[in-house]
Amino acid sequence: DGGITQSPKYLFRKEGQNVTLSCEQNLNHDAMYWYRQDPGQGLRLIYYSQIVNDFQKGDIAEGYSVSREKKESFPLTVTSAQKNPTAFYLCASSIVAGLETQYFGPGTRLLVL
Amino acid sequence: QKEVEQDPGPLSVPEGAIVSLNCTYSNSAFQYFMWYRQYSRKGPELLMYTYSSGNKEDGRFTAQVDKSSKYISLFIRDSQPSDSATYLCAMKGRSVKAAGNKLTFGGGTRVLVKP
Repeated sequence: DGGITQSPKYLFRKEGQNVTLSCEQNLNHDAMYWYRQDPGQGLRLIYYSQIVNDFQKGDIAEGYSVSREKKESFPLTVTSAQKNPTAFYLCASSIVAGLETQYFGPGTRLLVL
Repeated sequence: QKEVEQDPGPLSVPEGAIVSLNCTYSNSAFQYFMWYRQYSRKGPELLMYTYSSGNKEDGRFTAQVDKSSKYISLFIRDSQPSDSATYLCAMKGRSVKAAGNKLTFGGGTRVLVKP
């Protein structure tokens, strides 16, 4: 079964703690993305990566970090510098060559204790 | 002002009715237009993907793009309770290299189809 998996489904963060959200895809897609979704605001781009070992900041990268060491994996770390981390986080992937659209994972809901 | 505007709803319709959704946008560089369906606490699922102006039909779904008016629509015929979800429009420009195939999303419209 091809697709995008995200884990965990729910994540709780304590004050001052860094937490890492996992995203894995077996679609052989080159590009991967991280979005944040808040009620009524649609999806906002945090980081994206078009190829292994390369990634770029999106619109709201402050307080987040990523790595892309493998084609299949694009983990997102929410650092203690992100003061309002409570949100629904969505990972997506796409074929970069051409103009195909993005396909999304099931999401991770991050809550602050 | 947001680049993409979408009425948040909720839009409530009886089963069997036509659901009409729309988005307006301000960036004339947008060339590709998408509609995603998102059930509560799930990831968005691609429904329709269209290029430039015109209509596209897929089963009960019809997507329309009017670039001259910067207005896109999604129609759902013979709506079912299972169509109850949030519908997100998304769009992007032609260049893949620019900002890595970045999508710009509307805020989503919540739809309720009542049996």
